[in-house]
Amino acid sequence: QVQLVESGGGVVQPGRSLRLSCAASGFTFSNYAMHWVRQAPGKGLEWVAVISYDGNNKYYADSVKGRFTISRDNSKNTLYLQMNSLRAEDTAVYYCARDQGIPPGPLVSIDCWGQGTLVTVSS
Amino acid sequence: DIQLTQSPSFLSASVGDSVTFTCRASQGISNYFAWYQQKPGKAPKLLIYAASTLQSGVPSRFSGSGSGTEFTLTISSLQPEDFATYYCQHLNSYPLTFGGGTKVEIK
Repeated sequence: QVQLVESGGGVVQPGRSLRLSCAASGFTFSNYAMHWVRQAPGKGLEWVAVISYDGNNKYYADSVKGRFTISRDNSKNTLYLQMNSLRAEDTAVYYCARDQGIPPGPLVSIDCWGQGTLVTVSS
Repeated sequence: DIQLTQSPSFLSASVGDSVTFTCRASQGISNYFAWYQQKPGKAPKLLIYAASTLQSGVPSRFSGSGSGTEFTLTISSLQPEDFATYYCQHLNSYPLTFGGGTKVEIK
């Protein structure tokens, strides 16, 4: 079955960096665009970034542009989120998620989600 | 950027009720639009995509409609397991955005 397992979350000081990973299994990872979505404690969902199936196209939310970098290693079936210059407002559960659109067509919707990993930015 | 405004933000209803929530976009968008359900402590679950297509495995009491700037999600007969928070999302252009959510609670 499709499985997405995030790791790398934890407590980090403001201004520091953290890299999240998402291990994918149960499907052909290289055939799908992948997203990161986050949710601050008690708040709604916030889309963070998306990467195309081949890694050639990446798009970001304004709130993280220039600080976060999404990437993937299709040989390892793994998605990454490099987070630099972290701020208190980046504190959230970060979800790795699969878009069900079939490349090279457009994004369609997020049909599979990981369980999330908590990032806490605090001094 | 396209903003999505969900209404109401909170809804109290009874089992068996028919409920409808709305998501309004700040500008017209295509049907690259989805609805998700989220229960406390869990990841969201896809209900509807392409504005009105039911995701496989989702009960038929859920339906979506709309186009342009107004989209709706209807639950025809609310079941105990439907009490949750519902989010809309557009995938029309970057950046993608979610609505603020509608929380459905038991009356």
